Amino acid sequence: EDQVTQSPEALRLQEGESSSLNCSYTVSGLRGLFWYRQDPGKGPEFLFTLYSAGEEKEKERLKATLTKKESFLHITAPKPEDSATYLCAVRDYGGSQGNLIFGKGTKLSVKP
Amino acid sequence: GAVVSQHPSWVICKSGTSVKIECRSLDFQATTMFWYRQFPKQSLMLMATSNEGSKATYEQGVEKDKFLINHASLTLSTLTVTSAHPEDSSFYICSAEKPGTADSPLHFGNGTRLTVT
Repeated sequence: EDQVTQSPEALRLQEGESSSLNCSYTVSGLRGLFWYRQDPGKGPEFLFTLYSAGEEKEKERLKATLTKKESFLHITAPKPEDSATYLCAVRDYGGSQGNLIFGKGTKLSVKP
Repeated sequence: GAVVSQHPSWVICKSGTSVKIECRSLDFQATTMFWYRQFPKQSLMLMATSNEGSKATYEQGVEKDKFLINHASLTLSTLTVTSAHPEDSSFYICSAEKPGTADSPLHFGNGTRLTVT
């Protein structure tokens, strides 16, 4: 059974304090791993797609990496506006495009 | 800018009434849309896949007679929660699939907060 586990559940950082969020996954055949940002009361906003182990993607202060078992979202020198819940999701070859398996998310709070 | 629009953003209804939520793709025609539900501190869970011109496909455990889906045009899917009960209170989010982009990410609407009193 496909499964996604994110840790930690919540993370509090000071502005400028770099850290990483973890997404561990179990899937029969990985078709794609996705990172989304979700603000309170809003839908998920797409950040990155990773397809194969060793792949890395960067966007501003965020960098996503992928291994065969997990993905990390590295946040470098975060700012208060980076505060949000970060969701990880996987899609396997057995499912449709919409059948994403989501983790519960990591709620990030960045204090000034 | 947003590519998927959802309306309303929040709704409060009385137990036993029905509520309709709309999901529109703004700059493309979507033959397939997806409806998710998210409870507090829980994962987004796929409820059903909405196919234009045909019946929706429901995930296991989702009552198709309770959650009616209509995908009458290439830009609009609706989810109607019939005979709503307090346990149906949740955050409902739709997403749309751009044709020809099989492995690209889904783009989501901003969700509808449903509260059943």
